[in-house]
Amino acid sequence: DGGITQSPKYLFRKEGQNVTLSCEQNLNHDAMYWYRQDPGQGLRLIYYSQIVNDFQKGDIAEGYSVSREKKESFPLTVTSAQKNPTAFYLCASTPNRDRDGYTFGSGTRLTVV
Amino acid sequence: GENVGLHLPTLSVQEGDNSIINCAYSNSASDYFIWYKQESGKGPQFIIDIRSNMDKRQGQRVTVLLNKTVKHLSLQIAATQPGDSAVYFCAETSGGKLIFGQGTELSVKP
Repeated sequence: DGGITQSPKYLFRKEGQNVTLSCEQNLNHDAMYWYRQDPGQGLRLIYYSQIVNDFQKGDIAEGYSVSREKKESFPLTVTSAQKNPTAFYLCASTPNRDRDGYTFGSGTRLTVV
Repeated sequence: GENVGLHLPTLSVQEGDNSIINCAYSNSASDYFIWYKQESGKGPQFIIDIRSNMDKRQGQRVTVLLNKTVKHLSLQIAATQPGDSAVYFCAETSGGKLIFGQGTELSVKP
């Protein structure tokens, strides 16, 4: 079955460390997105990419970085510059630039220890 | 029960009743709207969508209403079941991005 796979499901990071969250899709979708969700709140856009080798900052990009070297993959790195990284991270994709048919992964819960 | 507040975070209904969840969106230029259901620890699940050239769309037990004049979106769930308990988000597309509302937690009492 086609879908989006996020890994790991749970991730623990020590302060000062960079960590990378994986997002892979086999839906042949052009656009991919990373969202952050804090408890009791909605989703906020971190970065998005509408085509390979191109990406744009979302509303809360500071302290994060991404790459889009392959259509299927859109990894998110949480850097040490992100002062409050503990959150639930969700990856999504859509088949075209018209934003139809968003599909979400199951999320990665990142905790700073 | 009906959620009439713009930022009411919780809605509690009796099993079998109809639920109405409301959402105010921000951008009058948004042309596509989606309702998602999110259960604890999981990603959002698509429920129903509507384009700005429509004012109503029905699915199985769910109906979405769009009022562009006041930038208001609502989700109606008929015969609410315990399995409907979750957080519900509305989302609008704006400038190539999907922007989410705060969300409403629906609690269904047996």
